[in-house]
Amino acid sequence: DVVMTQSPLSLPVTLGQPASISCRSSQGLVFSDGNTYLSWFQQRPGQSPRRLIYKASERDSGVPDRFSGSGSGTDFTLKISRVESEDIGVYYCMQGSHWPHTFGQGTRLEIK
Amino acid sequence: EVQLVESGGGLVQPGGSLRLSCAASGFTFSTYHMGWVRQAPGKGLEWVANISPSAGALYYVESVRGRFTISRDDAKGSVYLQMNSLRVEDAAAYYCVRDGGQLDYWGQGTLVTVSS
Repeated sequence: DVVMTQSPLSLPVTLGQPASISCRSSQGLVFSDGNTYLSWFQQRPGQSPRRLIYKASERDSGVPDRFSGSGSGTDFTLKISRVESEDIGVYYCMQGSHWPHTFGQGTRLEIK
Repeated sequence: EVQLVESGGGLVQPGGSLRLSCAASGFTFSTYHMGWVRQAPGKGLEWVANISPSAGALYYVESVRGRFTISRDDAKGSVYLQMNSLRVEDAAAYYCVRDGGQLDYWGQGTLVTVSS
């Protein structure tokens, strides 16, 4: 199975400051169709996960533009340009290029 | 608007069975892969199973293979997860997802408790 490793696992951030989460895969994530199926999800307390980013860098409709995804191969990053209070929660990366799909451990974003 | 509504969760004894259902609406159900993701209390997300359009292919995480069966009824716009030989470690919130490798829509989840 492809192992997804996130860091850090806990991320204390000051409101208005940037935040960055790393996600590394144990294998390359380019699918046979040429796409890289790496997604990022946000899970607020008590809620279902919500997808933010797909294909490594495509932002979902309705997601604030302060969220951005980048990376290729085995190294990927989620960045928040200026953290707001509504961004509190746990963030997960997930690869959908190989079976079984696998998630990272999750990164808990908290306010300092 | 895409909606996924799960049902069927509950309390079951170890070794027992449960069948989860997910009613989908707002999209052409028959053309999409569908799947299930679970989350044990206080833990992270774990992808569980996927079914392709027309049920031509089924995929499972190793820990449930042989015990869980995913199926679909395109006429009803529903996907199911039959869970047999349940273990304490299967206790979790189970989410129905539209799963084309990118999990773009999630249900609200249904809770499965496995305890004697």
